[in-house]
Amino acid sequence: GAVVSQHPSRVICKSGTSVKIECRSLDFQATTMFWYRQFPKKSLMLMATSNEGSKATYEQGVEKDKFLINHASLTLSTLTVTSAHPEDSSFYICSARVLSGTGGLETQYFGPGTRLLVL
Amino acid sequence: GESVGLHLPTLSVQEGDNSIINCAYSNSASDYFIWYKQESGKGPQFIIDIRSNMDKRQGQRVTVLLNKTVKHLSLQIAATQPGDSAVYFCAENTGRRALTFGSGTRLQVQP
Repeated sequence: GAVVSQHPSRVICKSGTSVKIECRSLDFQATTMFWYRQFPKKSLMLMATSNEGSKATYEQGVEKDKFLINHASLTLSTLTVTSAHPEDSSFYICSARVLSGTGGLETQYFGPGTRLLVL
Repeated sequence: GESVGLHLPTLSVQEGDNSIINCAYSNSASDYFIWYKQESGKGPQFIIDIRSNMDKRQGQRVTVLLNKTVKHLSLQIAATQPGDSAVYFCAENTGRRALTFGSGTRLQVQP
């Protein structure tokens, strides 16, 4: 199946610094990737849709200036958490959209996630 | 608003038994559903999907059933193994090509 990687797997940073998380599709091209955030024992919450070559589409309540998304190539999307604060600590997961085997519908394959801890 | 949710937050089964995880959805326009498995500290792993024009689909040890009349989705795992212990999410295609996830069910397999 489709493989999606994320880097780093975990990061600890000081409050006020910026952190960049990379999401890569390893064996396929993804015109669309998604960024999710997950709190402990909670479900995944969609933050934004990352479109190659165009601006990301953010969900309501997600600050675009705080969570910068860049999708510069068909295999790489990055999420930058700017001026991070302790409340930004979370598990960030990306996914890439691919065609599924079920009649050509598009499904999503997920990366392993990035654990961010802001001190 | 529209949502996808699960009936049981935790399901405990004996090794070797069959497991059934349920999911209710409210968006009658949804036409595609996916089950994911998420182990602790990892990203969700695709298990099986189903289109709305089907009511059953089988994979290896897993079966997904869809009842559009009552907007209900279930995942059946045969001969549950310790390695099946995880949180299982159903997800709904919203038409924006972004998935809406249910709240998750934790499956605990007792040896």
